Amino acid sequence: EVQLVESGGGLVQPGGSLRLSCAASGFTFSRNAMSWVRQAPGKGLEWVSSIGGGGGNTYYADSVKGRFTISRDSSKNTLYLQMNSLSAEDTAVYYCAKDDFLTVGYYYYMDVWGKGTTVTVSS
Amino acid sequence: DIQMTQSPSSLSASVGDRVTITCRASQSIGSYLNWYQQKPGKAPKLLICAASSLQSAFPSRFSGSGSGTDFTLTITSLQPEDFATYYCQQTYTTLTWTFGHGTRVEIK
Repeated sequence: EVQLVESGGGLVQPGGSLRLSCAASGFTFSRNAMSWVRQAPGKGLEWVSSIGGGGGNTYYADSVKGRFTISRDSSKNTLYLQMNSLSAEDTAVYYCAKDDFLTVGYYYYMDVWGKGTTVTVSS
Repeated sequence: DIQMTQSPSSLSASVGDRVTITCRASQSIGSYLNWYQQKPGKAPKLLICAASSLQSAFPSRFSGSGSGTDFTLTITSLQPEDFATYYCQQTYTTLTWTFGHGTRVEIK
């Protein structure tokens, strides 16, 4: 069974840091790009960051660029999100998702999602 | 950056109704458009990819259409389990995704 399990969320003060993890199982982790998506309370989905299968290419939303760092460890089948300089606007449920694509046309989609981990930034 | 605009933001419908949700991209994205269904407290689920390819976990009353800038998600006969929030997502810009703001489908 393909599964993603996030961890590392919690309460952090403004300006603080947190590292999220996403443990992957049931698929060849190194073959797939992976993404983080967040959802603030009562709000919609916001793409945060993605990383290519090899880990060499990373992408960030403007709202987190320069503060968040995505990485992956294929030996541990784990995706990470290092979050620095946190503010109240970063309060959200953070989901990790597996990216895949149709080989004809490279139509990407997120076909597996974790249950999410909650980050609360508050003093 | 590509912006995605969904409409309506919410709708009320009855079981058996036909429901249509639209998603407009700020520039042409071909068919690089996905739809997700999310129920309260749960992670989103992939519903349709590449604008019209329905995932096997969902029944055929769901369909997607469109290309370029205008896309539609249609539910032909709304069922109780379909009440949820639906999001579109553009994947035209590789690994730099954008979601629409969502459409909440509520029971009338």
